[in-house]
Amino acid sequence: EIVLTQSPGTLSLSPGERATLSCRASQSVGSSYLAWFQQKPGQAPRLLMYGASNRATGIPDRFSGSGSGTDFTLTISRLEPEDFAVYYCQQYGGSPQTFGQGTKLEIK
Amino acid sequence: QVQLVESGGGVVQPGKSLRLSCAASGFSFSTYAIHWVRQAPGKGLEWVAVVWHDGSNRYYADSVKGRFTISRDNSKNTLYLQMNSLRVEDTAVYYCARDNFWNGYGYFDYWGQGTLVTVSS
Repeated sequence: EIVLTQSPGTLSLSPGERATLSCRASQSVGSSYLAWFQQKPGQAPRLLMYGASNRATGIPDRFSGSGSGTDFTLTISRLEPEDFAVYYCQQYGGSPQTFGQGTKLEIK
Repeated sequence: QVQLVESGGGVVQPGKSLRLSCAASGFSFSTYAIHWVRQAPGKGLEWVAVVWHDGSNRYYADSVKGRFTISRDNSKNTLYLQMNSLRVEDTAVYYCARDNFWNGYGYFDYWGQGTLVTVSS
């Protein structure tokens, strides 16, 4: 199975700053079948990005995704207070689908 | 709007069984594959199982294979997860999630709010 490794484990930033989250796959994720989710405490995950760089419905354009093959990045251009949460990447190009272990984005 | 509502969670002893349900509304249920994903307390997300749009194919994580059965009733717009021989390590919030494709090879575009299963003696 494809193992996804996210870094850093925790990212401490202030509102207004830029956040860069990384997701690295143990083997190539075919056709950029890579998604990003945001999860806040007590809530279900919410789809942010799919196909590595496509924003899901209703996701603000301060969120962007990039990458291909084994290296992917989620960027939040200017952090808003509601962006502090845990972020997971997921690959759906291989079976079984797998998730990264998550990056916690916390307020500095 | 798309809604997925899980139910059936609770406290159960090791070795016992439990059946979860996921009631869907707001979309053509029979068109999409649906997954179960779980999250142990304080941990990350783990994919559990998927069933194709018509129920013709089902796939499982190795950790639950042989113990869990995923099924669906398209006439009732409902997904199920029959969990047998439960273990302490199955304790988690269980989410149902819609796949954007019919065969389970898409991304998870909608999630339910989850139902907590606690396996404890």
